[in-house]
Amino acid sequence: DIVMTQSPDSLGVSLGERATINCKSSQSILFSSNNENCLAWYQQKPGQPPTLLIYWAYIRESGVPDRFSGSGSGTHFTLTISSLQGEDVADYYCQQYCSPPFTFGQGTKLDI
Amino acid sequence: QVQLVESGGGVVQTGKSLRLSCAASGFTFRSYGMHWVRQAPGKGLEWVAIIWYDGSKKYYADSVKGRFIISRDNSKNTLYLQMNSLRVEDTAMYYCASSVGDGDYEDSWGQGTRVTVSS
Repeated sequence: DIVMTQSPDSLGVSLGERATINCKSSQSILFSSNNENCLAWYQQKPGQPPTLLIYWAYIRESGVPDRFSGSGSGTHFTLTISSLQGEDVADYYCQQYCSPPFTFGQGTKLDI
Repeated sequence: QVQLVESGGGVVQTGKSLRLSCAASGFTFRSYGMHWVRQAPGKGLEWVAIIWYDGSKKYYADSVKGRFIISRDNSKNTLYLQMNSLRVEDTAMYYCASSVGDGDYEDSWGQGTRVTVSS
């Protein structure tokens, strides 16, 4: 199984500042059919289900603010929030969907 | 828009069974893969299972393999999770999720149904 490891486990960032969350996979998650990395990022606010932010490592889901961006390839990936807003306080998870089981990272708690 | 509504959760004793349902609407259910994902209290997300659009392929997390069965009824736009031999560690919020996009990522989620397994 592919193991996904996020860092840090928790992060405190001031409003308007940049937040960076890292995700590492135990093996390459490059999808041979389209040469893209099968890596998704989700946001989960307290008491709510997760919502999809990013897929294929860098494509923003419709309606997601452009302050959210995804990057990386191979085994190292990053979610960046360019200017933190109050509504971004949440837990963030990466997930690989190349090969079942589609494992999640352990999550990163983002606070102000 | 996609709507997913889970039901069937509750309190059950260890070793017993429970069947969860997820009613789907707002998209062509029979054309897309579906997932179950769970979250134990205060813990992170754990992917549980996926079923292909036509039910031809199913994959499971190691933690539930041999005990849980994912299925679907495309005539009823409904996804199921049959959970057998339940353990205390299966206690969680169970979410169903769709993969309507161009990959097996979960692009829409239900609100979840809570399962509590007591000893």
